[in-house]
Parts: sequence; structure tokens; C-alpha cells
Amino acid sequence: DAGVTQSPTHLIKTRGQQVTLRCSPKSGHDTVSWYQQALGQGPQFIFQYYEEEERQRGNFPDRFSGHQFPNYSSELNVNALLLGDSALYLCASSQTNEQFFGPGTRLTVL
Amino acid sequence: KNEVEQSPQNLTAQEGEFITINCSYSVGISALHWLQQHPGGGIVSLFMLSSGKKKHGRLIATINIQEKHSSLHITASHPRDSAVYICAPTKGYQLIWGAGTKLIIKP
Repeated sequence: DAGVTQSPTHLIKTRGQQVTLRCSPKSGHDTVSWYQQALGQGPQFIFQYYEEEERQRGNFPDRFSGHQFPNYSSELNVNALLLGDSALYLCASSQTNEQFFGPGTRLTVL
Repeated sequence: KNEVEQSPQNLTAQEGEFITINCSYSVGISALHWLQQHPGGGIVSLFMLSSGKKKHGRLIATINIQEKHSSLHITASHPRDSAVYICAPTKGYQLIWGAGTKLIIKP
């Protein structure tokens, strides 16, 4: 079992661009949560997907959107990138309450 | 007041010492995670517990639901235990993150 995987590992974008991050959950997990972790800060909950629907959302603007596919993999899309969007983006998968984390995608916005 | 309070914020100890990290929370929860984050970002789930005590190797986690308190203990600490340890209760479908405890174990 590969565990939770995320791609890409690192990404550099410029302000105003759009980005898509991808997450493949652990085998057998049907729920994917996304978190943003700014440097030196704790992770902030963005949203959670279950059965291809956004089930719960944190305090993030509509520029942050997502999708879950029938195979439970998920994408996080961020439009109109701002410098403040530079962060580590973490994906976590779960089947029950216990969450398993991927290695993250480091996004740098210049 | 934060929903999750961890103490201490920083802890430096010598190899072999017994380590305790405390977590108090004010929200109603269904479960609580203890997570470990190493420099560079990777987060590992150490425990998820909703009652009592769990043990995995040198790590022990306890929770008292009535007192809304949990502790993480590390026995025979080792430099490789150096990391940030995060308490994260589960509220609804999301984790409520503590600020973390930065642990440094010196050889």
C-alpha cells in the first residue's frame, strides 16, 4: 500500500496564476481532507470531500475549490494566486475518523 | 481562548528522559489525534483515541474525556524523537489543531 500520495512535490507559480494539486488516498479510504500550512504555522482546514461532494469547509475564499473523483482521488484548485497562498498543502485520507497524511505539496507564489 | 491548548510549547531534554506533552481542549469531540511533524513537513499520525490509553512502542497516549485532557508520553527518549508533536481533536469532520510542542532530544 503506497499510503497517501500527493503531486507535485514542489511548485512555483506567479501571482494571478491558477494551480491544481492532486492527492491519491490510502487504499480503502473514501474521504479526503485538504489543509494549508503556512511557514511556522499550524495547518488550517480547507475542506473535506466525501462521496464526490464537499462535506465541510473551513474559512477559505471561493478561490479555493476542489473535486473528488469516483476513485476517491482529489484535486485542490486555487485561482488568482496571491503571495499569501505560499504554503505547504497537505492532503489527508480517512475511512473512519483516523486521518493519514500525505507528504504535502510545497507551493511558492512569486 | 484557543479551543486546543498544548504545553509545553518547547521542550529540550536529554536522551533517555521520560517526556510528557499535555493537551487540553474546550470543544466537544468524537476523538483526538496525536500527530508528529518532522522538519520538512511530513505529518505522521501517532494515535487516534476516544477513551483510555493506547501504547505503541515507546509512545503512550491517554485521554480523559470528562476532564477534556490528553497526554502523550515518550519513554526512553531518543534524538530521532525530535519533532513537533501536535494534538488535534476531531470536531465534526475536521481536526482542530493545537499549536504543537517542539521537542528536541539531545544525545
